[in-house]
Amino acid sequence: AQKVTQAQTEISVVEKEDVTLDCVYETRDTTYYLFWYKQPPSGELVFLIRRNSFDEQNEISGRYSWNFQKSTSSFNFTITASQVVDSAVYFCALSEANTGNQFYFGTGTSLTVIP
Amino acid sequence: DTGVSQDPRHKITKRGQNVTFRCDPISEHNRLYWYRQTLGQGPEFLTYFQNEAQLEKSRLLSDRFSAERPKGSFSTLEIQRTEQGDSAMYLCASSPTSGSRGTQYFGPGTRLLVL
Repeated sequence: AQKVTQAQTEISVVEKEDVTLDCVYETRDTTYYLFWYKQPPSGELVFLIRRNSFDEQNEISGRYSWNFQKSTSSFNFTITASQVVDSAVYFCALSEANTGNQFYFGTGTSLTVIP
Repeated sequence: DTGVSQDPRHKITKRGQNVTFRCDPISEHNRLYWYRQTLGQGPEFLTYFQNEAQLEKSRLLSDRFSAERPKGSFSTLEIQRTEQGDSAMYLCASSPTSGSRGTQYFGPGTRLLVL
């Protein structure tokens, strides 16, 4: 079973629009960690944020914000006032305390921001 | 401050040949990971080292795959008798020890094409 689901395969928005990328995870651990990474066309995965299961506070960093809701097992990512440079594939990932150090990645959401 | 580096960036080989990839982690990081990413998918965990010890191996890591980290610094991933199904992006990541689920920082990847 997929531990991380990113249902949106591709999204296109016009520059300056807001966009939300969905991430739903599945785990039986009470201690776990959630991540978002950005993968631009160059291929390198760029770390964006890390959240542990005990911290449900939402976070804002510039135009980026994250909404973590344990009740719905979701960790959604919103980009406000999107820019062309935001075009990339975005991955959500899960790390569980009891299953070692590996990350479980979703299949990614490809975001295209149209100028 | 240099990030994770990987060499080569691209490799084209014929089926049946052996290939070796190198990863140099961030210097103060003692954890090192290998992942494989195929087109349209998220990275999949292959193996993990803490210092020179290989602590975890995925079922994806068949007998044809071997990874080493001889002095706890750089790591190599070798694929013997390559098959067309081995064509993928091979990603290396490193993380510090502090924090049980440290953020993983990724290199640019090695893209392998097996003809």
